Amino acid sequence: DAGITQSPRHKVTETGTPVTLRCHQTENHRYMYWYRQDPGHGLRLIHYSYGVKDTDKGEVSDGYSVSRSKTEDFLLTLESATSSQTSVYFCAISVLAGESYEQYFGPGTRLTVT
Amino acid sequence: AQSVSQHNHHVILSEAASLELGCNYSYGGTVNLFWYVQYPGQHLQLLLKYFSGDPLVKGIKGFEAEFIKSKFSFNLRKPSVQWSDTAEYFCAVNRGYGNKLVFGAGTILRVKS
Repeated sequence: DAGITQSPRHKVTETGTPVTLRCHQTENHRYMYWYRQDPGHGLRLIHYSYGVKDTDKGEVSDGYSVSRSKTEDFLLTLESATSSQTSVYFCAISVLAGESYEQYFGPGTRLTVT
Repeated sequence: AQSVSQHNHHVILSEAASLELGCNYSYGGTVNLFWYVQYPGQHLQLLLKYFSGDPLVKGIKGFEAEFIKSKFSFNLRKPSVQWSDTAEYFCAVNRGYGNKLVFGAGTILRVKS
């Protein structure tokens, strides 16, 4: 499981409330990512981080913010949740394997916005 | 727009049948290519990857994939599927700074026993 944990694993929240999802890794990897998975869309990158306090937007970043104050933690925040943000959220890390990088994924957080 | 395309959204096979899942990408230049599998209720697991060298790569669980640069393709194959291969399969391309992945929409494989 590459030492990645996500919390919470399941959450139901109401429209308009703020939500923070946490990703924790135990191996000090530099790159971390947040994806959302939706049927028919595969996984889409929300934000990623290439170090403490260094983050950048992915292809579906609207309505999301991230923070990384420690190497091991990468937080995803929905400032005001909407029903369109109902999804499964996966955190990932990038690991150097041989001459190339591979991404390993956490167990996911299923978020339902009612 | 640059993208990753998986041709079949649903595939149903009987056990022992051969499998080929198509994947095409539209990025030029050097790419790293991946296939991931997601078993029901689980997270994504890496099946195999292409970085450089031999375009025929072998992965776990008897899967292999062939990179054909001229066709921008990276098709996944398995000679004989098992019921336990029932899962969703994702093709992905690594592009640019930050090792970001772009995923195809996925192919749901159901193997009938």
